[in-house]
Amino acid sequence: GAVVSQHPSRVICKSGTSVKIECRSLDFQATTMFWYRQFPKQSLMLMATSNEGSKATYEQGVEKDKFLINHASLTLSTLTVTSAHPEDSSFYICSARPDSEYGYTFGSGTRLTVV
Amino acid sequence: DAKTTQPPSMDCAEGRAANLPCNHSTISGNEYVYWYRQIHSQGPQYIIHGLKNNETNEMASLIITEDRKSSTLILPHATLRDTAVYYCIVSAHSGGSNYKLTFGKGTLLTVNP
Repeated sequence: GAVVSQHPSRVICKSGTSVKIECRSLDFQATTMFWYRQFPKQSLMLMATSNEGSKATYEQGVEKDKFLINHASLTLSTLTVTSAHPEDSSFYICSARPDSEYGYTFGSGTRLTVV
Repeated sequence: DAKTTQPPSMDCAEGRAANLPCNHSTISGNEYVYWYRQIHSQGPQYIIHGLKNNETNEMASLIITEDRKSSTLILPHATLRDTAVYYCIVSAHSGGSNYKLTFGKGTLLTVNP
């Protein structure tokens, strides 16, 4: 089946620094990828839709200048958390879907801790 | 997208069938029912989806009522590895276009030895 690789799996950064998270579709091309955030004991919340070759679409309440998304190729989308603060500490997950399948494949997630 | 209602938690004995219900009384005619699950600290995993007819794959069966207002996900022989949060999601999906997933709180299924 389809594979989505997410890197890093864990990252600890200092407050005020930026962190980049990569999401790759390994065996298919993805013109669209989705980024989610999940706080402890809560459900996944869609943050943004990443579109290859164009600007990302952000959900209401998500700051586009803080969460920079780049989808420069058909197999790679990156999420950069800029000027991270402790409240940005969360589990970030991406997903994508081959055109031939109905179900989305999710990455294994990135646990970000801002100290 | 239509809203779904699921019980917050369920228990099941290992080897027995796990039947997870979902209510989606406001579902529209073009909306599919999707089921995903999330094992602790991992990304969600697609299980199955359906529109009107019952569906079965290697992981589970999906039973959709005739009026489409509710559905049941069936894991025929639950194992300890099936312990996870199960999400029932309703979303429109047309052709090859992408669709959004709106995750609710899901059902925490605990499979006991």
